[in-house]
Amino acid sequence: EPEVTQTPSHQVTQMGQEVILRCVPISNHLYFYWYRQILGQKVEFLVSFYNNEISEKSEIFDDQFSVERPDGSNFTLKIRSTKLEDSAMYFCASSVNFDTQYFGPGTRLTVL
Amino acid sequence: AQTVTQSQPEMSVQEAETVTLSCTYDTSENNYYLFWYKQPPSRQMILVIRQEAYKQQNATENRFSVNFQKAAKSFSLKISDSQLGDTAMYFCAFNSGYALNFGKGTSLLVTP
Repeated sequence: EPEVTQTPSHQVTQMGQEVILRCVPISNHLYFYWYRQILGQKVEFLVSFYNNEISEKSEIFDDQFSVERPDGSNFTLKIRSTKLEDSAMYFCASSVNFDTQYFGPGTRLTVL
Repeated sequence: AQTVTQSQPEMSVQEAETVTLSCTYDTSENNYYLFWYKQPPSRQMILVIRQEAYKQQNATENRFSVNFQKAAKSFSLKISDSQLGDTAMYFCAFNSGYALNFGKGTSLLVTP
């Protein structure tokens, strides 16, 4: 069964550094998403991406964040200058249409 | 704004028993989707069940079923014949467009 994959599983970085989180969505899916979950809290929407552009973003997704689909398979989330409060689990998801989103296993980001 | 409320932060059930997790939501939309996701200690988000709002019939997936009451904006999850592997956080989620809007979750513990 096809799955969303994410790398790395755990990323540790220093405050102020740039990080890139990578995702490979399910191959025939057209919509891609990033969510984050701060420890002990609910899952929060960051951004959705369709047809090579952002279709919707939340208030959390400020100028420090960017997304890109650099080739036909990868979907990345870049955080330009990490802050302590960016420490969270970041989930990538994909869907065929406005319907069921399938999640990857997540990347745990720790900012020191 | 759409909100999703899960009023039971924690629940416990004995193995082989049945348990029901509650979820209510608030929306002015008429067409939308509702989901239950399971998050075990590994923190992966696993789809349990989905329901289209335009369908009156309640969705079922093996031991998992929902009670969808559109007028009351209620979407509860029933787990029958509970198993130890069902121990996890359960999140109710709402989708009328791009973003999934999650509740705060219910922590379910299945005991022997």
